[in-house]
Formats: sequence, C-alpha cells, structure tokens
Amino acid sequence: SQQGEEDPQALSIQEGENATMNCSYKTSINNLQWYRQNSGRGLVHLILIRSNEREKHSGRLRVTLDTSKKSSSLLITASRAADTASYFCATVVFGNEKLTFGTGTRLTIIP
Amino acid sequence: EPEVTQTPSHQVTQMGQEVILRCVPISNHLYFYWYRQILGQKVEFLVSFYNNEISEKSEIFDDQFSVERPDGSNFTLKIRSTKLEDSAMYFCASSTTRLTNQPQHFGDGTRLSIL
Repeated sequence: SQQGEEDPQALSIQEGENATMNCSYKTSINNLQWYRQNSGRGLVHLILIRSNEREKHSGRLRVTLDTSKKSSSLLITASRAADTASYFCATVVFGNEKLTFGTGTRLTIIP
Repeated sequence: EPEVTQTPSHQVTQMGQEVILRCVPISNHLYFYWYRQILGQKVEFLVSFYNNEISEKSEIFDDQFSVERPDGSNFTLKIRSTKLEDSAMYFCASSTTRLTNQPQHFGDGTRLSIL
C-alpha cells in the first residue's frame, strides 16, 4: 500500500462526541502533518508533529505519533458541525521537500 | 491573515490547448509548490520552486508542464498541450522556509476541466 493511508475513510458522529482518525505510513519520516479540507476549498494546516515527538495538542486537537508502528492519530474533542470536512495526513521524509498525502477521512458531524 | 490566492477558480479548456494557472503566494514566503488532486484521489505533489528555479519535481511533472515566477509576486503553472487526464484541482502552496518542520499554506485551488 502507499505512503499515508487513513482510516476510516468516512466517519459520522453526533455533535459533541470525539472523533478519531488514524494514519499509517511506510517509510521513515521527518515529520507528519494533518490538514483539513472543506468541500471545494484548499487545504488548511492543522498541526505538525516531528518524528521525535509523541504527542501534540492544539486547542481541541490532539495528535499522536508512533514511529515504531509508523502510525499517527488525530483526535478532535467535543466536535462541532463546523468540523465537518475531509482530514488528511501528510508526511515529509528527510532530505525531501514535498508533502505526501494520505487518502483522507471524510468526517461528518451530525447536529 | 495572509492568504495564497489562485485564479481562475475554474478553467475549462479544449484538449490540446495551453493553459496557465496563476497563484499569488503569501508575500514573505520564499518556497512555492504546485499539487493536484484528481477527483476522488489523493493530493499529489507536482513541483517545488525556490530562488527562481525548480528544486524538486515529481514524475507527473513532465515536459508538458512548466512553472514561472514572472514578476516577483505571481507564480504560474503552464500546461502546454492539455490532455483529458489533466482534469483535476490544482493547488498552489507556499512556505517561509524549506519545508522541514514548517507548514505549507494552500490556496483554494483551480478546477481544470479538459474537454
């Protein structure tokens, strides 16, 4: 499989619940980033976690990184209708500039 | 907050025609990128650009593609002879420094439809 696979592909939850999305990758990385994409819009950077970090927080977002398992998770707590979007992980390998994106998770928050 | 702006938002072109997609990166950014997203597929890297030259490109970025920063503010992607498979969303991005440990800021994209 390819670098950057998210699961689930789609997730629907009630407003106020927590949403967890997972990302797996294949090669060693320098950092991993999460982006949000609202329908018809560009990608908005959410959070970056370096390969030597295990957990990072930003507001209602919590990202974990397990380099031994080559996986990351994004937790959105106390979800809101405005969180409805597609979420992508993207990896950066050492010595490289490009972002390699995963397949994305489409999150729907039900009011 | 400064934004990356892309024009046009939607471009419809006949197969075989040339198309130029335009981007205005954030003003103090030095690194510029193009990505594309074919409908229902992943976002794919095309090219990165720094100091008026290409610093990295993907296999997708063949001789039909070129990039330019003609006037110090715009950053353009040209496709010389478009094919049906070039239909996609094209995203421009910019960053302050080389990507390592810095986020990229994306525009809202140009939807390119090849007929």
